[in-house]
Amino acid sequence: QQQVKQSPQSLIVQKGGISIINCAYENTAFDYFPWYQQFPGKGPALLIAIRPDVSEKKEGRFTISFNKSAKQFSLHIMDSQPGDSATYFCAASYLGNEKLTFGTGTRLTIIP
Amino acid sequence: DAGVTQSPTHLIKTRGQHVTLRCSPISGHKSVSWYQQVLGQGPQFIFQYYEKEERGRGNFPDRFSARQFPNYSSELNVNALLLGDSALYLCASSKLTDMNTEAFFGQGTRLTVV
Repeated sequence: QQQVKQSPQSLIVQKGGISIINCAYENTAFDYFPWYQQFPGKGPALLIAIRPDVSEKKEGRFTISFNKSAKQFSLHIMDSQPGDSATYFCAASYLGNEKLTFGTGTRLTIIP
Repeated sequence: DAGVTQSPTHLIKTRGQHVTLRCSPISGHKSVSWYQQVLGQGPQFIFQYYEKEERGRGNFPDRFSARQFPNYSSELNVNALLLGDSALYLCASSKLTDMNTEAFFGQGTRLTVV
């Protein structure tokens, strides 16, 4: 049972543009929503995370927008750079429990 | 500080064999979780251990087992390997408090079953 749905599967953005990746979850008990970045041959690296008590969190060029009523959250990458080319995963879990439920991933390619 | 370390990095096994994968968490982290990542998919939760006790198990067959040692390192064991067990096996560690669930992943062990 897939509890976190992620879209799009792949995304191509021009350098300097905004990359947007969307996720939707089913389990309303989730209360921690991280985004991970994964480069080929590497493990996922935590990028940014949000809890449902806020609607937006920004760290540098990365912003998470969270819509609790719609059970959706998204990652925005501003001023996208070629070095941002990677696979991005959204995930969800409960605070105090490390079990992460991941989305299916988005392969992001930033072109010059 | 060293991150999460996993060994070996790559492994090739034959169907029916047994494999043991190892993980050392970040210093001070008492929780270790294991994930399986099949090519092109997101990681799938296999096990979580905290203070040497199993706290969670994903939807994997009994051929998969794990344990955590007093120094918080962990082993994942897979018996009677199948071709479908070929995947990247990831270990994650965290401090695991009520307010902090940040999980840090190792580079993974690439298992190929032939």
